Amino acid sequence: GAVVSQHPSWVICKSGTSVKIECRSLDFQATTMFWYRQFPKQSLMLMATSNEGSKATYEQGVEKDKFLINHASLTLSTLTVTSAHPEDSSFYICSARSSQADEKLFFGSGTQLSVL
Amino acid sequence: GEDVEQSLFLSVREGDSSVINCTYTDSSSTYLYWYKQEPGAGLQLLTYIFSNMDMKQDQRLTVLLNKKDKHLSLRIADTQTGDSAIYFCADGYSSASKIIFGSGTRLSIRP
Repeated sequence: GAVVSQHPSWVICKSGTSVKIECRSLDFQATTMFWYRQFPKQSLMLMATSNEGSKATYEQGVEKDKFLINHASLTLSTLTVTSAHPEDSSFYICSARSSQADEKLFFGSGTQLSVL
Repeated sequence: GEDVEQSLFLSVREGDSSVINCTYTDSSSTYLYWYKQEPGAGLQLLTYIFSNMDMKQDQRLTVLLNKKDKHLSLRIADTQTGDSAIYFCADGYSSASKIIFGSGTRLSIRP
């Protein structure tokens, strides 16, 4: 099946620093990628939809200046958490839509972010 | 707005069948998905069903869709300890090119 690679798997950073998370579709082109956030014991929350070559669409309540999304190619989207604070600590997951596989979504393995 | 609901916990005996239920509200759903999440890991797509299908079987997994009642279920036959995980039901609708997840059902297997 299609593979989505997400890096890093976990990251610890100091408050005030920025963290970049990468999401790559390894064997298919993804015109659309999605970024989710998951708090402990809760479901996934869609943060934003990333379309190749255009600005991301953010869900209500998600700060676009805080969570910068770049989808510069058909196989790579990045999420940068800027000036991270402890409340940004969470599990972030990306997914990519495959046009070659009935528009199914394939998910990355997630990134655990801990901000000290 | 769109909503997907599922029970939070399910405990079954090893070897029995597990049935995880899900209800959704959006009438324009195109796909309905079942995902599995093991501790500390991302989501794994288990199976999906088109909204114009009633049933889909894939090895030990059987998905039933009642579109009239907007009810989706996942049956896992001969449940094993490796099936312990959180199972998410998700509603993919074409109108907004995104999917909505349920809260997840934690499946526990007892000996």
